[in-house]
Amino acid sequence: DIVMTQSPLSLPVTPGEPASISCRSSESLLQSNGFNYLDWYLQKPGQPPQLLIYLGSSRASGVPDRFSGSGSGTYFTLTISRVEAEDVGVYYCMEALQTPYIFGQGTKLEIK
Amino acid sequence: QVQLVQSGADVKKPGASVRVSCRASGYTLTGYYLHWVRQAPGQGLEWMGWINPNLGATKYADKFWGRVTMTSDTSINTAYLQLDRLRSDDTAMYYCARNTHLDYWGQGTPVTVSS
Repeated sequence: DIVMTQSPLSLPVTPGEPASISCRSSESLLQSNGFNYLDWYLQKPGQPPQLLIYLGSSRASGVPDRFSGSGSGTYFTLTISRVEAEDVGVYYCMEALQTPYIFGQGTKLEIK
Repeated sequence: QVQLVQSGADVKKPGASVRVSCRASGYTLTGYYLHWVRQAPGQGLEWMGWINPNLGATKYADKFWGRVTMTSDTSINTAYLQLDRLRSDDTAMYYCARNTHLDYWGQGTPVTVSS
């Protein structure tokens, strides 16, 4: 199975400041079609996860443009350009290249 | 709009089986794979498997092989997860989610396994 490693696991951020989360996979997530099968999710307190970014860098429908995804192969980054109070929760990366799908451990973002 | 509505909370004894339902609305179930993901209390997310409702094909995580069954009833646009021989560490929130990139999620079904 692919191993997914996120860092940091805890991320205190001041509103209006940028934030970034990294995700590393034990195998390349770049498929022959040129797409990276790496997704990002946010789980707000008491809610199911919601899709933020798919295929490494494509924003899901309705996701604010302050969220962006980058990276390729085995190293990926989720960046929030200016953190807002509503962004608190746990962020997960997930590989969708092969089964079993594997999630990262999660990064808890909190407001300072 | 797309919605996945899951069945309510359940409490089971060790060794019993649980069946969770996931009713799709706003789209046809057969149009997308349907995944099941669980989350133990205070823990991260764990993928359990998928079903292709169009063909009935399934793919399960090895960890659950032999204990899990995913089915669907396309006449009522509903998918089901059954987990057998429950243990205390199966206590978790169980989610259904649509499509390869899990673009829509159900609200979750809490399952408690306790004697």
